[in-house]
Amino acid sequence: GIQVEQSPPDLILQEGANSTLRCNFSDSVNNLQWFHQNPWGQLINLFYIPSGTKQNGRLSATTVATERYSLLYISSSQTTDSGVYFCAVELRGTSYGKLTFGQGTILTVHP
Amino acid sequence: NAGVTQTPKFQVLKTGQSMTLQCAQDMNHNSMYWYRQDPGMGLRLIYYSASEGTTDKGEVPNGYNVSRLNKREFSLRLESAAPSQTSVYFCASSGQGAQPQHFGDGTRLSIL
Repeated sequence: GIQVEQSPPDLILQEGANSTLRCNFSDSVNNLQWFHQNPWGQLINLFYIPSGTKQNGRLSATTVATERYSLLYISSSQTTDSGVYFCAVELRGTSYGKLTFGQGTILTVHP
Repeated sequence: NAGVTQTPKFQVLKTGQSMTLQCAQDMNHNSMYWYRQDPGMGLRLIYYSASEGTTDKGEVPNGYNVSRLNKREFSLRLESAAPSQTSVYFCASSGQGAQPQHFGDGTRLSIL
């Protein structure tokens, strides 16, 4: 099956710092989604981004499908950004919605 | 607007007991999914339902059954619970085709 690798596995920041999270995938995909799991365990969909660049406030994401990677940028980080960030992909040619998740990046933002 | 609602939020079972996890969505989505999340890992797809009346296996279906009761509801059943099924279970839904998935808050299930 498709492999999804996220880096770094852990990231510790001071409030106000910027960061870049990376997601590499091993095969062509229909779509790619980024999720944030907060410390209470809730999963929030951040971006649906099969290709190109999207921005939502302090967060932005870029997917380069031809090179099989996606980047999530967090600017001016806040303590509420802490949690686990997951990348999930849907392998091209499979049924819509069959997502394969990466292992996640654990982000800790200190005040 | 509740989104995706899962019940119960917590449950403890003994090995061999059966249980059904309930999921309902109010976003008129066609597709629904069940995932499990084990400590330190990403989510793995158990079963999904692309539309009302259809279900299909995901990555880790063994030991589980599902029912798509109607467009709103998708249940997950453990017929004979095993300690290896201790996990956090998430239900999700999405619109037609390739669409963002929206998740419920999860059910924490412990099997002793």
